Amino acid sequence: SQQGEEDPQALSIQEGENATMNCSYKTSINNLQWYRQNSGRGLVHLILIRSNEREKHSGRLRVTLDTSKKSSSLLITASRAADTASYFCATDGEGGSEKLVFGKGMKLTVNP
Amino acid sequence: DAGITQSPRHKVTETGTPVTLRCHQTENHRYMYWYRQDPGHGLRLIHYSYGVKDTDKGEVSDGYSVSRSKTEDFLLTLESATSSQTSVYFCAISEPQGGQETQYFGPGTRLLVL
Repeated sequence: SQQGEEDPQALSIQEGENATMNCSYKTSINNLQWYRQNSGRGLVHLILIRSNEREKHSGRLRVTLDTSKKSSSLLITASRAADTASYFCATDGEGGSEKLVFGKGMKLTVNP
Repeated sequence: DAGITQSPRHKVTETGTPVTLRCHQTENHRYMYWYRQDPGHGLRLIHYSYGVKDTDKGEVSDGYSVSRSKTEDFLLTLESATSSQTSVYFCAISEPQGGQETQYFGPGTRLLVL
């Protein structure tokens, strides 16, 4: 069953704006990851945040994690048309499971 | 794509026929996974492997079997394809380190079962 749920399910913004995507999950985790999928391609790993971290940055990406609320957010700053893609959060299990559980994904459209 | 190839990339088959999809990796990763992706469901794990001849079921394993006789190859077989198995299938690999696991995905196989 799905562990993570992304919100909103679709977002359309203009180039240069910031995009925020949220993920909620149900059980305890060791880490949470975000992936991107361009149309017709496989998923690509973006960033991983551990359960003992609250915030992490990578280039224009900022991820936060609130384990008390079982939620995470992915912020893409100064968006570009090339950021148009689907974004997925994925969680592992508290026991450090080698299996990830992916959310249903969120479609981001960045209009030039 | 982290040295992962999938074959075929596209396949059309008829209900009731067996179908085998192949995932090949070149970097000796221990873990390999098969997922299916469907609208409204995201990615769901079918089967995974943690070594040669070591496999386990995922969330949606019914109607599928897998085999891993070599480190580099992970085969997914639809024993008797049904229309509900029309989907995009993704293979992934990982090498868990210290409880932090990142997965790397292949390009996908589009399967249409008529």
